[in-house]
Amino acid sequence: NAGVTQTPKFQVLKTGQSMTLQCAQDMNHNSMYWYRQDPGMGLRLIYYSASEGTTDKGEVPNGYNVSRLNKREFSLRLESAAPSQTSVYFCASSEVDPNQPQHFGDGTRLSIL
Amino acid sequence: GENVEQHPSTLSVQEGDSAVIKCTYSDSASNYFPWYKQELGKRPQLIIDIRSNVGEKKDQRIAVTLNKTAKHFSLHITETQPEDSAVYFCAANQQRALTFGSGTRLQVQP
Repeated sequence: NAGVTQTPKFQVLKTGQSMTLQCAQDMNHNSMYWYRQDPGMGLRLIYYSASEGTTDKGEVPNGYNVSRLNKREFSLRLESAAPSQTSVYFCASSEVDPNQPQHFGDGTRLSIL
Repeated sequence: GENVEQHPSTLSVQEGDSAVIKCTYSDSASNYFPWYKQELGKRPQLIIDIRSNVGEKKDQRIAVTLNKTAKHFSLHITETQPEDSAVYFCAANQQRALTFGSGTRLQVQP
């Protein structure tokens, strides 16, 4: 049982490049989330998807877009990467909403030069 | 929106001592409060959670208490062990998402 799988695990980009972070869960969860984690700042919500076909902005959505491709997959796209987006990105999922435990993937370490 | 404050930011204890981490939240509508443990380079993992209809919950050496009137909740770890060393995050729900505290780095000295 893989749980939440994120790809890639590491990535280095140049300023202005674009890329998509992939996330897939095999727990049949309805809700999925993208967070970024910066030193000393905890986890900040970028976007979430309460159910297939819906997405909503979190605390720090600027510079990002998301796609809930189906119930299993939720991708995060950086259209024009900036050094301020250097961070560790975590995807998470939960059964229905955040009143249920969220399960996290292993994270993607993204560096933007 | 929801604001979650967590204290202290670092905590060092001797093995066998107790550790307490405290969080406050701002949204009185919040009703779910999980705690996550994150080891270096790893994913956050849920260790315990509490809902607003109870005041305390225990799981072996870990307990969480909730005071809804004062809008604060705490994590208590007894008989700490070196493997408890990690960063701990509290969180509170707001509508359809969680807001996390900034984390507490716990170091257990052998």
